[in-house]
Amino acid sequence: DAGVIQSPRHEVTEMGQEVTLRCKPISGHDYLFWYRQTMMRGLELLIYFNNNVPIDDSGMPEDRFSAKMPNASFSTLKIQPSEPRDSAVYFCASSLFWSNTGELFFGEGSRLTVL
Amino acid sequence: GESVGLHLPTLSVQEGDNSIINCAYSNSASDYFIWYKQESGKGPQFIIDIRSNMDKRQGQRVTVLLNKTVKHLSLQIAATQPGDSAVYFCAVKGASGGSYIPTFGRGTSLIVHP
Repeated sequence: DAGVIQSPRHEVTEMGQEVTLRCKPISGHDYLFWYRQTMMRGLELLIYFNNNVPIDDSGMPEDRFSAKMPNASFSTLKIQPSEPRDSAVYFCASSLFWSNTGELFFGEGSRLTVL
Repeated sequence: GESVGLHLPTLSVQEGDNSIINCAYSNSASDYFIWYKQESGKGPQFIIDIRSNMDKRQGQRVTVLLNKTVKHLSLQIAATQPGDSAVYFCAVKGASGGSYIPTFGRGTSLIVHP
């Protein structure tokens, strides 16, 4: 398996622009997580899905952030409009039977820079 | 909620030495603990885990120790190599009936000097 695939790997945009980050989880995994990583705040959980259904989005910082999972093999995290403070590395992770194993498989991340 | 902290933000060791990375947690009902390694430019990767019914678990060159009395766990890396240079995170998961979402610590940056 190729692992969790994220795109783009790097994104540089200007304040006010819309940003869409994409994730393909490992086939067969039933949980998908979106994390944000910054030096100041570490790894923050933004939202997670179970069987394509959003379960907890309490980590989403503002209404500017939205996430969807239209099917088991694809998820998006959208920021509209983007702001410089959104600059971070965004990770997608997937897992199987979370309550039993707990291991998350992370993608390589999307580094977002908002100017 | 779970609070997870690290004792040191950076640990520098010489190649060949043993490394010990520490982690404290706050919820005594936590039942599952995981260590992740994050290399530069990559996502965190699973290293080793331990459940609350164990005090120690060994892998290849790595050992995790769990002290539930003081709510502390550590990751020991034997004969540290330059390839071990990375940021190490502990993640803690709540007990049955509690949160199944892991809480990640801030991370310790391990620097291995050749």
